[in-house]
This record gives sequence, C-alpha cells and structure tokens, in this order.
Amino acid sequence: AQKITQTQPGMFVQEKEAVTLDCTYDTSDQSYGLFWYKQPSSGEMIFLIYQGSYDEQNATEGRYSLNFQKARKSANLVISASQLGDSAMYFCAMRESGNTPLVFGKGTRLSVIA
Amino acid sequence: ETGVTQTPRHLVMGMTNKKSLKCEQHLGHNAMYWYKQSAKKPLELMFVYNFKEQTENNSVPSRFSPECPNSSHLFLHLHTLQPEDSALYLCASSQDVRGYALGKIQSPLHFGNGTRLTVT
Repeated sequence: AQKITQTQPGMFVQEKEAVTLDCTYDTSDQSYGLFWYKQPSSGEMIFLIYQGSYDEQNATEGRYSLNFQKARKSANLVISASQLGDSAMYFCAMRESGNTPLVFGKGTRLSVIA
Repeated sequence: ETGVTQTPRHLVMGMTNKKSLKCEQHLGHNAMYWYKQSAKKPLELMFVYNFKEQTENNSVPSRFSPECPNSSHLFLHLHTLQPEDSALYLCASSQDVRGYALGKIQSPLHFGNGTRLTVT
C-alpha cells in the first residue's frame, strides 16, 4: 500500500494567490514526521516544512504552512501569495518511528501564472 | 562549502563503462542516503548509511555498489549499467535520530543537486 498519496499531478495558480497541495499518508505508528520538499527544474530537493505527529499546532515557515489533520491523516501544504519562483515539483514525505528512511509521494507539479 | 555537494552534475556512460558518483556533506550529519528518481515515479530509496554502516539496501542490483569511507563522503560505483538505469541520482544526509521519538524531533534530509545519469 502507498504510504504517501498526492492526488494532484499538476496544479495551476495565479500569482499572488494562495494554493493548497494535498497529501494523505498511511501509518499505524504514533510517532512520525511529515515533510514537504520543493524540486525546481535544477533538480535539487529543497526542504520546506516539517510537522511532527505530536505537534498540536500547524507548522508554518514564512509563506508555507501545513494544514495537519491527524484524524484524517492529511498534511496539506498551503502556499500563500504565490510567486513565479514557486513553480516546481512539490513532494510530500514521511518518516515513521525507528529512524526509518524518508518515503516520498509521487509529487505535484505547481505552475504559477503571471 | 556548505550543504550537500554531488559530482558530477551530468554523466553519460556506455553500458560497459565503470564510473562513480560522489557525494560530500558539510553539515556534520551522521546518516547518508542514495535515492533514484526516474521519470513519473516516486523517489526510490537505494541505500542508507548510519554512522558509516550500511543499514538499508532496497533490493538494488549489484551493478550499483555504494561506499561510505567516512560520515562526510558517500560514493556510488556504477558498472555494466542498463539504459533503464538512466535517472537522476540524489544524495542526501540527515542527523540520525535513533533513540528519539520522531514525532518530537525534526530530522529532515538535506539533498544535493543530483547527478543526471544517461546510459547509452
């Protein structure tokens, strides 16, 4: 079974608007971490934001915020005030307890339109 | 230099060649990883080294051979590859959180820019 599901292969958003990228996950662990990465066309994977399973508040990092709904096992990324430079692939990932490696979803390609 | 550095950025090799990919991290991390990224597929974990010991080998063919001489360097030796091995190979490092509850401790992987490999 897929551990991380990203149902949106591609998304478009107008510059300066907000956009939500969906991510659902599957785990039976109580302790886990959720991550979002950005991959521009250059190929580098850039770490954006982290949410721990015990965190009671949604994580925020600048224009990035994570809408964490533990009961629904979803960890959607919200990008506010989109910029042209936000156009990239976005990957949701999870690490379960016991220092297991990071498992990635298939990604969502975000295109910001001027 | 800072972060995770991979060389070369691009590599074209024939199926009978032998080449090596190099990764170096300057973050003081103690775990290093090789991931493979093919078109239209999720990132696939290949190898994991914690404290220089290989702890994960995800059924990777023997034509890929990792080497981790110290906690800052990781190599991927390639020989007799197939055209389907053409992909972006990403190296990453992290701080091993063994003994900690992951739900409380942040331990992101930091990636290099990758090596774009083409096998002809």
